Amino acid sequence: LAKTTQPISMDSYEGQEVNITCSHNNIATNDYITWYQQFPSQGPRFIIQGYKTKVTNEVASLFIPADRKSSTLSLPRVSLSDTAVYYCLVGDMAPGSARQLTFGSGTQLTVLP
Amino acid sequence: DAGVIQSPRHEVTEMGQEVTLRCKPISGHNSLFWYRQTMMRGLELLIYFNNNVPIDDSGMPEDRFSAKMPNASFSTLKIQPSEPRDSAVYFCASSLLTGYEQYFGPGTRLTVT
Repeated sequence: LAKTTQPISMDSYEGQEVNITCSHNNIATNDYITWYQQFPSQGPRFIIQGYKTKVTNEVASLFIPADRKSSTLSLPRVSLSDTAVYYCLVGDMAPGSARQLTFGSGTQLTVLP
Repeated sequence: DAGVIQSPRHEVTEMGQEVTLRCKPISGHNSLFWYRQTMMRGLELLIYFNNNVPIDDSGMPEDRFSAKMPNASFSTLKIQPSEPRDSAVYFCASSLLTGYEQYFGPGTRLTVT
């Protein structure tokens, strides 16, 4: 199973761009990279998923270098409401796969006014 | 769609009692996941099903825990007998297929005294 490593916490100010990097040195060929966001007292919520290069949606961008041993979640112009825990997951997407998708300890992002 | 539905939202029970947590996944989703979250251990995957069949239950902590999915629209997680260390928030999530975006329910906060 691909293990992920993320910073435990990060602080930012409103309006800044935030980049959270996740390390996954033993990522497998079939593995995808997925990021989730969790607010207190709620279940995690999907943010973005990618396999290589760059993926962008309405809330974030995901940058994945060619060797895929790391990935960076980029949140443009954060606001106070972006304060949450962000999880990086690595796993394959094969239906019925026996490989577990593991939530690590996540990164607590605190956005300051 | 109402999203993933979990019941009860809160459960307080005494040590030794049986506890049953319930989950209704999103209609049409083929994969269902049970997680447990605590401050000490974070978010742990307990078991997941694909097309109602348990695929990987290696995360189930011990024999006191059991999970069933009798049909595509219902799953239960049972703890018998319960212990204080089982106190946690239990999340159910579903996805179209394993590895795809997971949709989490609101969770059940279990307190065992």
